[in-house]
Amino acid sequence: DTGVSQDPRHKITKRGQNVTFRCDPISEHNRLYWYRQTLGQGPEFLTYFQNEAQLEKSRLLSDRFSAERPKGSFSTLEIQRTEQGDSAMYLCASTTGALDKLFFGSGTQLSVL
Amino acid sequence: ELKVEQNPLFLSMQEGKNYTIYCNYSTTSDRLYWYRQDPGKSLESLFVLLSNGAVKQEGRLMASLDTKARLSTLHITAAVHDLSATYFCAVDNSGGSNYKLTFGKGTLLTVNP
Repeated sequence: DTGVSQDPRHKITKRGQNVTFRCDPISEHNRLYWYRQTLGQGPEFLTYFQNEAQLEKSRLLSDRFSAERPKGSFSTLEIQRTEQGDSAMYLCASTTGALDKLFFGSGTQLSVL
Repeated sequence: ELKVEQNPLFLSMQEGKNYTIYCNYSTTSDRLYWYRQDPGKSLESLFVLLSNGAVKQEGRLMASLDTKARLSTLHITAAVHDLSATYFCAVDNSGGSNYKLTFGKGTLLTVNP
């Protein structure tokens, strides 16, 4: 159990490009979450999965954002046609229904130029 | 819409002093969390408060919850430099343990020698 792992740690891209981030949750955690954090703010909920099912998406998540968790293990978050406003830290977290806390990864820092 | 407000947003204190961070939230919730974040690092779970009157303590930190007042406090006793970090409160108003958390903006704590 090495914690929640996210890759890459940093991503710099040009406006209009597509980017994809990966999250590997803690083994056997059936719930996986994506949050976004901008400078000086607390994290904002984006979406979550229970196993492979995406159960909820925030209204903050525009059509350019898509998340998958194909086999109920790792997850990917893709942003198409990136905009400067997408620049943020994207955090992944996991847990089980029996635990009373979320375990967060170190995040992927996205900079859109 | 749930709003979570923390104050102060910035706190500079001397080692050995006591202080309290306040977290107010706008709608009924049964779960409140406190997290710590060090610069460039992920969020670390400190406390989860599940019921009115709940009090939890770990080292120099003590958290409490008053659901009637919709208020949680994080009390710091005899601060030490290692406590310097950003502290977030977060509320889960999903009606269960879905971890669709709404975070405050965070309190940046600096403990000076």
